[in-house]
Amino acid sequence: NAGVTQTPKFQVLKTGQSMTLQCAQDMNHNSMYWYRQDPGMGLRLIYYSASEGTTDKGEVPNGYNVSRLNKREFSLRLESAAPSQTSVYFCASRQDRLFQGPQETQYFGPGTRLLVL
Amino acid sequence: SQQGEEDPQALSIQEGENATMNCSYKTSINNLQWYRQNSGRGLVHLILIRSNEREKHSGRLRVTLDTSKKSSSLLITASRAADTASYFCATDRNYGGSQGNLIFGKGTKLSVKP
Repeated sequence: NAGVTQTPKFQVLKTGQSMTLQCAQDMNHNSMYWYRQDPGMGLRLIYYSASEGTTDKGEVPNGYNVSRLNKREFSLRLESAAPSQTSVYFCASRQDRLFQGPQETQYFGPGTRLLVL
Repeated sequence: SQQGEEDPQALSIQEGENATMNCSYKTSINNLQWYRQNSGRGLVHLILIRSNEREKHSGRLRVTLDTSKKSSSLLITASRAADTASYFCATDRNYGGSQGNLIFGKGTKLSVKP
């Protein structure tokens, strides 16, 4: 049981290049999330997916697109990378966005460090 | 916009001492959660306290919640060097039914010296 996995672990891009960050979870969770973390800041929500086939914008969606490929996988795409997108990106999952109980917590992947030059 | 704000931003203590971190938030919540992040790693959930609870314990962790003051505190007793990490509070806001998205604070960086 790997939990939440992310690839790649580290990436360097030039301004204007595109890339896709991959995330997968093996816990059969319905909800998945993409966050970015900048120095001295907490996590800010980019996009989330409450269930397979649905995605919604979070706090900072500009410059990003997402795809919920299936229940396991949720990818984040940067179409034209900018230096302001240099950050550490975390994927997380949760059993059900509206479920109240012990499974209200989110499970995080190890992160992808992205540097845009 | 950040919902939670932790205080202090950084805390340095000796092994065996207690560490207290505080979190303030702005809006009505369903629950408040604390997460730990070791350097270069993802976040790990520590404890959740609901809006109708005032105190909760888990091992060496004690969390309190004061909804009238919109604040929470995390106490780590008898700290160990392995507790060195950043600690984040996260609020599950009450949108009048809609819930599930967490808003994270900026974190408290705890350093426990052997």
